[in-house]
Amino acid sequence: GAGVSQSPSNKVTEKGKDVELRCDPISGHTALYWYRQSLGQGLEFLIYFQGNSAPDKSGLPSDRFSAERTGGSVSTLTIQRTQQEDSAVYLCASSLDGTRNTEAFFGQGTRLTVV
Amino acid sequence: DAKTTQPNSMESNEEEPVHLPCNHSTISGTDYIHWYRQLPSQGPEYVIHGLTSNVNNRMASLAIAEDRKSSTLILHRATLRDAAVYYCILRDRNAGNMLTFGGGTRLMVKP
Repeated sequence: GAGVSQSPSNKVTEKGKDVELRCDPISGHTALYWYRQSLGQGLEFLIYFQGNSAPDKSGLPSDRFSAERTGGSVSTLTIQRTQQEDSAVYLCASSLDGTRNTEAFFGQGTRLTVV
Repeated sequence: DAKTTQPNSMESNEEEPVHLPCNHSTISGTDYIHWYRQLPSQGPEYVIHGLTSNVNNRMASLAIAEDRKSSTLILHRATLRDAAVYYCILRDRNAGNMLTFGGGTRLMVKP
């Protein structure tokens, strides 16, 4: 079946521009996560959505970052006024629910380069 | 998520078994032990998880110590494709439900 799909796979943008990154989770999965991974670094949690609950935004690094999830399915991560330090691979994951006993499925990521 | 400790890197020969250790001395009784791996230029991939008993699946086995303060991921026959960073993660009810990734173990497989 279809896995987690992210688009675009690569994005090059100029410093100061806004970008939108899209994530299509696995159908029926109520939990959705965004992470980012800078070159050679570990995964940094950004935001978590679970059903209709308020999202956990505790990992967003600044107010330039925001995310929404429409209709409990597709999610968009928006970065306003991009900076060079925002360059990273942005990864989305989904799971059937957010409990401790479920596995998460990751997409292939969007590689963002800010020039 | 509670803290885990893993070696930074390990080496293995192709077609030999690999034992990847993870220490989690502060684990609580309700924490699940999860393992993920990340192949080069790919997103993380679920490997296996367990609570108290040892677990087996098509990818690997998970051996959990009796006191649950450590666990070992076992790859029965390493292949070149198993070269990846392996992450040991604890998921607890107070974790906010996100997966917290540490540094992981970089596994290198020699032909």
